[in-house]
Amino acid sequence: AQTVTQSQPEMSVQEAETVTLSCTYDTSESDYYLFWYKQPPSRQMILVIRQEAYKQQNATENRFSVNFQKAAKSFSLKISDSQLGDAAMYFCAYRSAYNNNDMRFGAGTRLTVKP
Amino acid sequence: AAGVIQSPRHLIKEKRETATLKCYPIPRHDTVYWYQQGPGQDPQFLISFYEKMQSDKGSIPDRFSAQQFSDYHSELNMSSLELGDSALYFCASSLSITDTQYFGPGTRLTVL
Repeated sequence: AQTVTQSQPEMSVQEAETVTLSCTYDTSESDYYLFWYKQPPSRQMILVIRQEAYKQQNATENRFSVNFQKAAKSFSLKISDSQLGDAAMYFCAYRSAYNNNDMRFGAGTRLTVKP
Repeated sequence: AAGVIQSPRHLIKEKRETATLKCYPIPRHDTVYWYQQGPGQDPQFLISFYEKMQSDKGSIPDRFSAQQFSDYHSELNMSSLELGDSALYFCASSLSITDTQYFGPGTRLTVL
């Protein structure tokens, strides 16, 4: 079974600085998708970024980028120029390309942004 | 852009009562997923539907049932509620040919 591990329960960053959130996963599948979701205090689950495993190029969405290392099964999220609104719980998620119905989440990393 | 709609947003029930949660997917999305997120936990997959048929089942208790209707909205029915059912229930939707799930705002269920 696929598992997703986020080893940092909490992280803190100064406003305007850069922070990297870690995520590793375990799978025997070759084709899959990886996601980062953000859950602010409102508890809404917001898609931040997604990565297809077959793509070597790291995904980027404005200030958010990932470092996808397929061999190492690592999928970290980098937030540049951190803003107060980035404060949230961040979940890393894995989804098989063979079974679209089951998405596995990590335990989450709570990010605090200090002014 | 239209998002996933869930109703109600908050629900308070007594033990052993029943509850019905509704989900309206993004227009043209034909796949709906239900997740349960307990306090301080990550979302856990419950059940999903594609084209009005159940497509997969996760850790959904037998006391819960769900269905997807002809207009693609879905309802999660929960009976004999227990204190442990108190959680945030998310619905997500996707296009069947894509992999990205878009989440609704969630329904917070409190069982007293």
